[in-house]
Amino acid sequence: DQQVKQNSPSLSVQEGRISILNCDYTNSMFDYFLWYKKYPAEGPTFLISISSIKDKNEDGRFTVFLNKSAKHLSLHIVPSQPGDSAVYFCAASRGSSNTGKLIFGQGTTLQVKP
Amino acid sequence: DGGITQSPKYLFRKEGQNVTLSCEQNLNHDAMYWYRQDPGQGLRLIYYSQIVNDFQKGDIAEGYSVSREKKESFPLTVTSAQKNPTAFYLCASSPRLNTEAFFGQGTRLTVV
Repeated sequence: DQQVKQNSPSLSVQEGRISILNCDYTNSMFDYFLWYKKYPAEGPTFLISISSIKDKNEDGRFTVFLNKSAKHLSLHIVPSQPGDSAVYFCAASRGSSNTGKLIFGQGTTLQVKP
Repeated sequence: DGGITQSPKYLFRKEGQNVTLSCEQNLNHDAMYWYRQDPGQGLRLIYYSQIVNDFQKGDIAEGYSVSREKKESFPLTVTSAQKNPTAFYLCASSPRLNTEAFFGQGTRLTVV
């Protein structure tokens, strides 16, 4: 039962353009969402998060949008840079609970072409 | 420097042998986690610990064991009962449960 889904395994964009990575979830109890970036053979690094009380959170070139009614979140990277090429994971949890489960999607590989 | 250290980076073991993966953090975090990454499957939670001397099973705990005798350390043992142990293992920690987790560099375990 995949509670967090990233349906696009890969995405390719031109340098300078916008990258949009999508994530869907099924558990309406999730109230805290995160995006991580991962290079090969390294651990993921935290990018940005959003609480369910918000619908948008921005940090520099990265913006996360949350649509609770659609159970959908997206990460926008503007402008995209070649160094952004990596695997991006979305994750979700019940931040207000004590279950300790941070559930990850399958990841989307982003390639930014110079 | 503060961070999470996993060792070794690469590990080879013969089938049927137990192997222990090390994870140490000096971030003073209460919570620690072990994840496994397989191609196309994202990160799956093996075990997590909220506090010293306490740990809970994640989604795929069968064939694994952990201990949390010290706040800084959360070793993972991959036992011979784990049917498909070859994978990339990631340790993480967070100030408390369900806050953003910080990951180590991972250990790639290959069982031959």
